[in-house]
Amino acid sequence: GENVEQHPSTLSVQEGDSAVIKCTYSDSASNYFPWYKQELGKGPQLIIDIRSNVGEKKDQRIAVTLNKTAKHFSLHITETQPEDSAVYFCAASTQAGTALIFGKGTTLSVSS
Amino acid sequence: GAVVSQHPSWVICKSGTSVKIECRSLDFQATTMFWYRQFPKQSLMLMATSNEGSKATYEQGVEKDKFLINHASLTLSTLTVTSAHPEDSSFYICSASPPSGSSYEQYFGPGTRLTVT
Repeated sequence: GENVEQHPSTLSVQEGDSAVIKCTYSDSASNYFPWYKQELGKGPQLIIDIRSNVGEKKDQRIAVTLNKTAKHFSLHITETQPEDSAVYFCAASTQAGTALIFGKGTTLSVSS
Repeated sequence: GAVVSQHPSWVICKSGTSVKIECRSLDFQATTMFWYRQFPKQSLMLMATSNEGSKATYEQGVEKDKFLINHASLTLSTLTVTSAHPEDSSFYICSASPPSGSSYEQYFGPGTRLTVT
């Protein structure tokens, strides 16, 4: 089955810096890669996603890149703010309506 | 985005009792919902896939007789933890997808914190 590895497990940056979180997946059939932000005591919130027919997607300060050949995808957050502090999870799935397989999460801390 | 709610948001129960958690899609119909469990500082682990009108599919290692799932309508799935024990204490989260066959997005509920004493 699919296995998703996520790095780093913790990331500390200064406000205004960029943050990059990387994930690799094992199943070449995976074709959907969402990123979720989870704040303490809350459910995950979808922040951006990408499908396998696209190499990059951007939404304001957040971008995701996908390298299907290498089977890895990354989350890029620019101009970080303290409110970006949270746990970020990458995930993968092989088709619409199927369960997501999650990475282990990255705790991002943005200090002002 | 689509909204998924859960009730209750937290519950404390005594060991040996049962507790029911509801998951509702508020503004869309969901033929499939998913139940996850999350222990402190860990990732989300899929427990089961809930399909409207049919039996749930459980992941390996998840006891189907202990975690009863009922997906009675296109907007409601319930998870009942039977004969709860302290080790069942966890954060339970559901997710749902809009019904379009091409829809990959999953929207998560706010979670239910279960504490078994």
